Amino acid sequence: DAKTTQPNSMESNEEEPVHLPCNHSTISGTDYIHWYRQLPSQGPEYVIHGLTSNVNNRMASLAIAEDRKSSTLILHRATLRDAAVYYCILRRGNTDKLIFGTGTRLQVFP
Amino acid sequence: EPEVTQTPSHQVTQMGQEVILRCVPISNHLYFYWYRQILGQKVEFLVSFYNNEISEKSEIFDDQFSVERPDGSNFTLKIRSTKLEDSAMYFCASRTSGGKETQYFGPGTRLLVL
Repeated sequence: DAKTTQPNSMESNEEEPVHLPCNHSTISGTDYIHWYRQLPSQGPEYVIHGLTSNVNNRMASLAIAEDRKSSTLILHRATLRDAAVYYCILRRGNTDKLIFGTGTRLQVFP
Repeated sequence: EPEVTQTPSHQVTQMGQEVILRCVPISNHLYFYWYRQILGQKVEFLVSFYNNEISEKSEIFDDQFSVERPDGSNFTLKIRSTKLEDSAMYFCASRTSGGKETQYFGPGTRLLVL
């Protein structure tokens, strides 16, 4: 399974944009990039996913580097509810198991 | 909004006892999963299940573990003889038959083995 590297923690102020980076230099051509988050005392929650192109949904945007060796999850306006651990996960195209890393713990300050 | 539910929310058991963790996936979902998270550690994949068969399982999912869909709504994880190291939060997840992008997770069952 390809490995992802994320900062252990990041901080943001409420209503500011947040850019959460992820490095995945060993990504293969069939690996999808997924982001999930885990709020305190809850199960993981899907945020967004992509393969090659940038993606937007109601929760966030995903910017994927042209060589696919890194990606950035963008929260356009952080809220207190966005405080969570964010996981960048590579999922091989022929499987649907998710391999979680240690993620980035995002703190949001009022 | 439909959601995955899990019961019980907490379970305490003695080492060597059998436990059954229950999940009700979202009603039109066909793919089911169990993950676990030992306190302070990563979320770990255990098993995936489709069409009444295990699709994939991890090394953690040994002979002590089994899964079953006993009826049209429940999905269960059984641990036959619990060990201390089985203490963890167990998450059930499910998804539709469409793309593999979104697994919906339940709130988890916290299992404590004494």
